[in-house]
Amino acid sequence: DTGVSQDPRHKITKRGQNVTFRCDPISEHNRLYWYRQTLGQGPEFLTYFQNEAQLEKSRLLSDRFSAERPKGSFSTLEIQRTEQGDSAMYLCASASGTGKGADTQYFGPGTRLTVL
Amino acid sequence: TQLLEQSPQFLSIQEGENLTVYCNSSSVFSSLQWYRQEPGEGPVLLVTVVTGGEVKKLKRLTFQFGDARKDSSLHITAAQPGDTGLYLCAAYSGAGSYQLTFGKGTKLSVIP
Repeated sequence: DTGVSQDPRHKITKRGQNVTFRCDPISEHNRLYWYRQTLGQGPEFLTYFQNEAQLEKSRLLSDRFSAERPKGSFSTLEIQRTEQGDSAMYLCASASGTGKGADTQYFGPGTRLTVL
Repeated sequence: TQLLEQSPQFLSIQEGENLTVYCNSSSVFSSLQWYRQEPGEGPVLLVTVVTGGEVKKLKRLTFQFGDARKDSSLHITAAQPGDTGLYLCAAYSGAGSYQLTFGKGTKLSVIP
């Protein structure tokens, strides 16, 4: 078990560019989450996948953000036309089970995005 | 969306001291989780509390879930520099939701 991995760990981009992040969950974990964390805040939920189905999205999620999990394994998060306010740590987490209640989510190390 | 308020926001103490951090809400939770996050890393789950009044111990850390399941506390005995980090409480946002809501966290620094 190698844990959740994320790539890249750091990304610096110019405003208006598109960026894509990748998350590889723990093998056999059917649930995958994306979060965003800014300085001084806890992680903020963005979206959730169960296998390849995207079951929940935050109402705060701009339409510039899109996530996929095409084969129910790795996932990508794309941000189009980045803005300076998108600068944050993007965290991925995976879990097994039904997704309700007290399940354990295992977090990756995150991708730190800086938009200049 | 339920709001989780954590206090204090920052805490700096000497090695060997005891401390308590709090997580409060006006909402009732079926369960509540505590995580610790170190700089540049993702959060790591410490404990999940489920029953009102429940107390769980993890070495020098004691977690308590309020009787009404609206609040929780984390007490650390004889803090060590290795306890330094951001302590986050989190709870699922309601029946049928997969959304985990986090508090802003308590940033703890333990000075040798």
